[in-house]
Amino acid sequence: DVKVTQSSRYLVKRTGEKVFLECVQDMDHENMFWYRQDPGLGLRLIYFSYDVKMKEKGDIPEGYSVSREKKERFSLILESASTNQTSMYLCASRGQVPDTQYFGPGTRLTVL
Amino acid sequence: GDSVTQMEGPVTLSEEAFLTINCTYTATGYPSLFWYVQYPGEGLQLLLKATKADDKGSNKGFEATYRKETTSFHLEKGSVQVSDSAVYFCALSDVQGAQKLVFGQGTRLTINP
Repeated sequence: DVKVTQSSRYLVKRTGEKVFLECVQDMDHENMFWYRQDPGLGLRLIYFSYDVKMKEKGDIPEGYSVSREKKERFSLILESASTNQTSMYLCASRGQVPDTQYFGPGTRLTVL
Repeated sequence: GDSVTQMEGPVTLSEEAFLTINCTYTATGYPSLFWYVQYPGEGLQLLLKATKADDKGSNKGFEATYRKETTSFHLEKGSVQVSDSAVYFCALSDVQGAQKLVFGQGTRLTINP
């Protein structure tokens, strides 16, 4: 079975802090994704990566950056956390076949 | 751009009731369609999918048919159980490139015994 793990289930940070959210997948998938989930808005794509060191902006990239130095690991970075970044963050990965994304358990981030 | 609209929630039903959660989409091409489920405290799990018109996806008693003429992918189950209580997300993916997912807003389902 595909396994996608995220470094923390719950995280509390202060405004202005630099925050790293880590995601690791064990299936040698090329594509990895970061979403945020907010009530009433569903999931919105922040960034995705289709290969090592390759990244593309999603629908809401402002205030975020990403890093993919190894195929199995995709990091989301909040350079200077703000209260409006309080949310649930979900990582996903997908191989070439089939066209299914597999999700991690999520990190609930609170910025005070 | 592409979009997905889901039936507004929350939805509350009694055990063994019939379930329908409506989902319609707007897309320029011929996307694949998905239903994901999120149980309390967990990430999303793929429930079922369909990749072309008239395909029916099914899993765990849930079904959805890809209707191109009505641009819909409604989720149905004949007899729900308490364990089906969760948030359900309809989504589409474009068939090119990275196949990004576009999600609906989610529908919270609660089943009472």
